[in-house]
Amino acid sequence: DVKVTQSSRYLVKRTGEKVFLECVQDMDHENMFWYRQDPGLGLRLIYFSYDVKMKEKGDIPEGYSVSREKKERFSLILESASTNQTSMYLCASSLSGGFANYGYTFGSGTRLTVV
Amino acid sequence: AQTVTQSQPEMSVQEAETVTLSCTYDTSESNYYLFWYKQPPSRQMILVIRQEAYKQQNATENRFSVNFQKAAKSFSLKISDSQLGDTAMYFCAFMKGTGNQFYFGTGTSLTVIP
Repeated sequence: DVKVTQSSRYLVKRTGEKVFLECVQDMDHENMFWYRQDPGLGLRLIYFSYDVKMKEKGDIPEGYSVSREKKERFSLILESASTNQTSMYLCASSLSGGFANYGYTFGSGTRLTVV
Repeated sequence: AQTVTQSQPEMSVQEAETVTLSCTYDTSESNYYLFWYKQPPSRQMILVIRQEAYKQQNATENRFSVNFQKAAKSFSLKISDSQLGDTAMYFCAFMKGTGNQFYFGTGTSLTVIP
C-alpha cells in the first residue's frame, strides 16, 4: 500500500523554537506539497516541490521554509515558531506531467500547537 | 486565478438518506479536473471522485456521484444511502489541465445521523 508518512501526529513547541515537520513518500512521486488546514479556511498551500532541490512558494510561505534533499523526503521548517502557526499541517505527493491530474496522496497530518 | 467555493460549512443527513454537497468554482481555463476529497476524523484525506472537464458524462463511484454543470461552473456531490462512515469533512478541489497544484474549497462538514 502506497504511503505518505508524516513523522509526528501531534507536536507541541514553544514560541521562537525552530520546528521541523518531516514527510516521506514511498511512491517515487516527483511532486510534494505542504498545506496548512484551518477551520473555515480550508487547505492553503505553503510550499511545493517538483523535484529534488527544487521548491516553489505557495500562497502563504511567510514564516516557513522547506528542504528537499532526496526525492522521497520533503521537510517543512518553521524558522521561529509563533502562536499563529498553530494549525494542522498536511503533506501530499503526486506524479508529475499528465499523471498529476489523478490527484494527490496525503499524509495523516501533524497537529502543531505553539505555546 | 482559480477559486473554489463551498457555501455549506455544515450539513447533516439521516442514515440511508441522500445528501448533496455544493461546490462552485471560477476559472478561465478550458481544460481542468475537479475532485471531491473526504477527510474523516482519522484525518487521512481520501479521494472520493474525480471529473474531467472535457467529459460531459457525470462521474460515479458506487454511492457517490457528481452533477457537473460546466457552463454554470458547478460541481456538486451526491451521496446516496448515507452511512455512518460517511461522516467527514468534504473538500471540493480544482486542478488545471496543465498544472500540478490543487485549489481547495473551505470544506463541508457532513454528519450522518443514526
